[in-house]
Amino acid sequence: QKEVEQNSGPLSVPEGAIASLNCTYSDRVSQSFFWYRQYSGKSPELIMSIYSNGDKEDGRFTAQLNKASQYVSLLIRDSQPSDSATYLCAVLNRDDKIIFGKGTRLHILP
Amino acid sequence: DTGVSQDPRHKITKRGQNVTFRCDPISEHNRLYWYRQTLGQGPEFLTYFQNEAQLEKSRLLSDRFSAERPKGSFSTLEIQRTEQGDSAMYLCASSRDENEQYFGPGTRLTVT
Repeated sequence: QKEVEQNSGPLSVPEGAIASLNCTYSDRVSQSFFWYRQYSGKSPELIMSIYSNGDKEDGRFTAQLNKASQYVSLLIRDSQPSDSATYLCAVLNRDDKIIFGKGTRLHILP
Repeated sequence: DTGVSQDPRHKITKRGQNVTFRCDPISEHNRLYWYRQTLGQGPEFLTYFQNEAQLEKSRLLSDRFSAERPKGSFSTLEIQRTEQGDSAMYLCASSRDENEQYFGPGTRLTVT
């Protein structure tokens, strides 16, 4: 089992709708979780971090964490074409190392 | 700009040559990380420093790779005797302890 798993996509969402991106992780003791956005040819950009179970909102973005299910998600409300990118889920594991998933490609349809 | 910077942004080299990349982290960050990313993959951890100490190296890092952070500020990553399989984006990130990591723009290496 991979340490951090994401559906590679592409996930196509109409403009203005909610995009839902999901991630599961294998290390039960992980405590810190991050979402990065990466445009093609660019480096990853941190958009959200979450450390506690529940929801954390920042503008149009909401991160959700369920440690019992080892599941973290990112919701993007009112999706815009500029949200089209690859979204990387990252988890701080027991070795104090951040492990990245392969990313989910999101395509917002105008 | 007080973000992470990397130099060069692009490097084309012939197989067998040595290359060196530089990373300047955010000034108050004590940790510096190197990652490698290929198309369709997430960043893969290579090594990291806390201040000037190199704390961990990935098994991905062969003997041809070496990294330094001599004064706990900037870092260099050297690849000796480059191979075509080394072609990738090399990313540097910095953080304060184990908190959020911020990435530089990356160095794209092409080995011909």
